Amino acid sequence: DTGVSQNPRHKITKRGQNVTFRCDPISEHNRLYWYRQTLGQGPEFLTYFQNEAQLEKSRLLSDRFSAERPKGSFSTLEIQRTEQGDSAMYLCASSWARTDTQYFGPGTRLTVL
Amino acid sequence: AQSVAQPEDQVNVAEGNPLTVKCTYSVSGNPYLFWYVQYPNRGLQFLLKYITGDNLVKGSYGFEAEFNKSQTSFHLKKPSALVSDSALYFCAVRVSGAGSYQLTFGKGTKLSVIP
Repeated sequence: DTGVSQNPRHKITKRGQNVTFRCDPISEHNRLYWYRQTLGQGPEFLTYFQNEAQLEKSRLLSDRFSAERPKGSFSTLEIQRTEQGDSAMYLCASSWARTDTQYFGPGTRLTVL
Repeated sequence: AQSVAQPEDQVNVAEGNPLTVKCTYSVSGNPYLFWYVQYPNRGLQFLLKYITGDNLVKGSYGFEAEFNKSQTSFHLKKPSALVSDSALYFCAVRVSGAGSYQLTFGKGTKLSVIP
């Protein structure tokens, strides 16, 4: 069990640029989740996939955000036209339907200058 | 709507003493409850969960939590604290059977174990 991996671990970008993050879930986990965590707060849910289908999206996921999970394996989260308010830690988690426990990756820290 | 409250931003405890980190929740329906721990610059690590059954749940690293439905609480406990337990602890909840799998987290409690 290699755990959930996320790349890159850190990303610094200028306002207005597009960024893309990748998440590789634990193998055989069919559910994948994205959360955002800002300083001093708990993680906030963004979106959820079961296999390749995106089944839930938070109101936090504005039209500048898009997530995909082609073939039900890895997932990408893209932010277009980044804003300073997008600066946060982006966490990915995965779970297996039978256990319902979400296991988190190390996160990608985004800084928008 | 579902919510979690962790009333203490910080808890200080002496090494070897028992520790408690408090959590209360609000959901419409039956809750699934979770505790996670976060070390600096790292993701969240799963500690334990309550789904159904026995109200006392045992988890990793000697931690346990007690589900109290009447008080809508799920406090995290450990009989004897270690310095290495110092970290940020998050309580989370989701509603069972609602077709939604999103977790709602509290703001976190910073635990400091003093040698």
